[in-house]
Amino acid sequence: DTAVSQTPKYLVTQMGNDKSIKCEQNLGHDTMYWYKQDSKKFLKIMFSYNNKELIINETVPNRFSPKSPDKAHLNLHINSLELGDSAVYFCASRIGRGSGNTIYFGEGSWLTVV
Amino acid sequence: RKEVEQDPGPFNVPEGATVAFNCTYSNSASQSFFWYRQDCRKEPKLLMSVYSSGNEDGRFTAQLNRASQYISLLIRDSKLSDSATYLCVVTGQGGSQGNLIFGKGTKLSVKP
Repeated sequence: DTAVSQTPKYLVTQMGNDKSIKCEQNLGHDTMYWYKQDSKKFLKIMFSYNNKELIINETVPNRFSPKSPDKAHLNLHINSLELGDSAVYFCASRIGRGSGNTIYFGEGSWLTVV
Repeated sequence: RKEVEQDPGPFNVPEGATVAFNCTYSNSASQSFFWYRQDCRKEPKLLMSVYSSGNEDGRFTAQLNRASQYISLLIRDSKLSDSATYLCVVTGQGGSQGNLIFGKGTKLSVKP
């Protein structure tokens, strides 16, 4: 009964392709995130949505476009994939936007661009 | 100066050892502090929050020094199952106060 679930878990694709990663949380949380963990294991925020509204958009190429159809879902679409996009992408959620609340991560989506 | 800095390790210790991890952060306005644990090829999970007065959870003790912008985690009586990467986490700046900034993590390997 996974709280934050993301699909696919593994994705291998060629340069130039367009791909999407889906995320759903059943915790009733208001805020959802996408984080990227690169080969150096550095975990960095990409986007944050609160009740379907974009509230954080870090310096990410505009080939990355998040979409939140409702507060339980936050999908990530990537256009024209590049080798450097290879990483683990973690979806996460938390209650509200308060800094003290626990953030829960999905299991990660392992993207390899060849 | 990086936003959150940690010694990457690895720390290789025998079972039963006491090990301490340190972390410094650059944003003096950070409000909340955490230690997360990440096992190999798994997602990060909250280990414990860090409070100004220091706090303990079983074998784990966390300390915060706001003046020095320094956070620590002490693990006593290490177990094999403690082997993981420990991530120091602080909140972001200004409007991104809800944003969590992760350190690169310190890798711990506990040996029999």
